[in-house]
Amino acid sequence: ETGVTQSPTHLIKTRGQQVTLRCSSQSGHNTVSWYQQALGQGPQFIFQYYREEENGRGNFPPRFSGLQFPNYSSELNVNALELDDSALYLCASSLDRGRYEQYFGPGTRLTVT
Amino acid sequence: GESVGLHLPTLSVQEGDNSIINCAYSNSASDYFIWYKQESGKGPQFIIDIRSNMDKRQGQRVTVLLNKTVKHLSLQIAATQPGDSAVYFCAETTGGKLIFGQGTELSVKP
Repeated sequence: ETGVTQSPTHLIKTRGQQVTLRCSSQSGHNTVSWYQQALGQGPQFIFQYYREEENGRGNFPPRFSGLQFPNYSSELNVNALELDDSALYLCASSLDRGRYEQYFGPGTRLTVT
Repeated sequence: GESVGLHLPTLSVQEGDNSIINCAYSNSASDYFIWYKQESGKGPQFIIDIRSNMDKRQGQRVTVLLNKTVKHLSLQIAATQPGDSAVYFCAETTGGKLIFGQGTELSVKP
């Protein structure tokens, strides 16, 4: 087991709504990265948080936002949901920023109808 | 732009045979290249990595080869087992950000 947990497991939302996904990092890890994985595709980097600050962002619009808390757990928030936001959202933690060894959680399956 | 792609979307092998999964990359500045295995309903699981200044690295039943001249990466799995059935992704990284390819689905026939 990697120790990274995500909640909820599955979620169904309506277009235009907002959603919050949660991630608990592996013990001792201070960096959390979020990825979006569309069906049949590889994960796409959304952003990374290091010690409560955003530390890099991929090509995603501002309606994708995040937070990291003092215990290094993290949230991904998506506003104004679109149908194309339907995907598996993966959280990965690493020991420190710049460390490529990332440990992934099982993901949250989001369906937007 | 940066991209990591895979040559074959699916690969079917007999149990006990060796498997070779290929990957092409375009960013010469990447520090590390990594192979991940993703089983259905799970997140990607680290298999093996290779630093950009290496050509070959071996693990338990797996070998990764890096050819920087043609920007090609491969994963070799020896004596493939049914438990190896999954989608395999190559990824490249610079500064901790992972860039994944599309993936190859490996199917092992008993």
